[in-house]
Amino acid sequence: DTEVTQTPKHLVMGMTNKKSLKCEQHMGHRAMYWYKQKAKKPPELMFVYSYEKLSINESVPSRFSPECPNSSLLNLHLHALQPEDSALYLCASSQASGLAGFEQYFGPGTRLTVT
Amino acid sequence: SQQGEEDPQALSIQEGENATMNCSYKTSINNLQWYRQNSGRGLVHLILIRSNEREKHSGRLRVTLDTSKKSSSLLITASRAADTASYFCATVQGYNTDKLIFGTGTRLQVFP
Repeated sequence: DTEVTQTPKHLVMGMTNKKSLKCEQHMGHRAMYWYKQKAKKPPELMFVYSYEKLSINESVPSRFSPECPNSSLLNLHLHALQPEDSALYLCASSQASGLAGFEQYFGPGTRLTVT
Repeated sequence: SQQGEEDPQALSIQEGENATMNCSYKTSINNLQWYRQNSGRGLVHLILIRSNEREKHSGRLRVTLDTSKKSSSLLITASRAADTASYFCATVQGYNTDKLIFGTGTRLQVFP
């Protein structure tokens, strides 16, 4: 199974809502990532989890809160978002982190619209 | 910004023609990777070339890397309509990091 799954596919939320994005992989990968992608732009790294510990936070605002409950799951909790946070949110995973720079496997993304 | 630059930004060709995309980056790298993204979907890894390699092939894909010029190119031969997508280069900068830095991307359109 070389698939990364993400739910939901689409999400519309108001600025006062709390919602969560979910990501799952069963490839035994120990590094998992959240990216944000605006239209016609490249993905921008938000967070990296390595062996279930947060290893990189790219100065992301606290209204985005990542969580890695186990080695297969990655969540992104959203609270009090702004309209400019509307984007495609991509999850990815890769083999053990660091050193060799392994290729990343991406999920299909969650299209988030903040109203 | 550490982001790499790709050119052209957009490329339109006919089926059967070859497509070449170029990527330039700014700092020394561990490896360079190419990804494809169909409209509004997730990215698919195409090929990885390490800093000590100069050329790599995978099917109809050929990637070159010139670390002295901090540049790479992706050649797609005998293109198909299904190759229509955005293509991104991405670099791993450093030797103990998971951080991928993506280039600006090339939007390729292949007409039947």
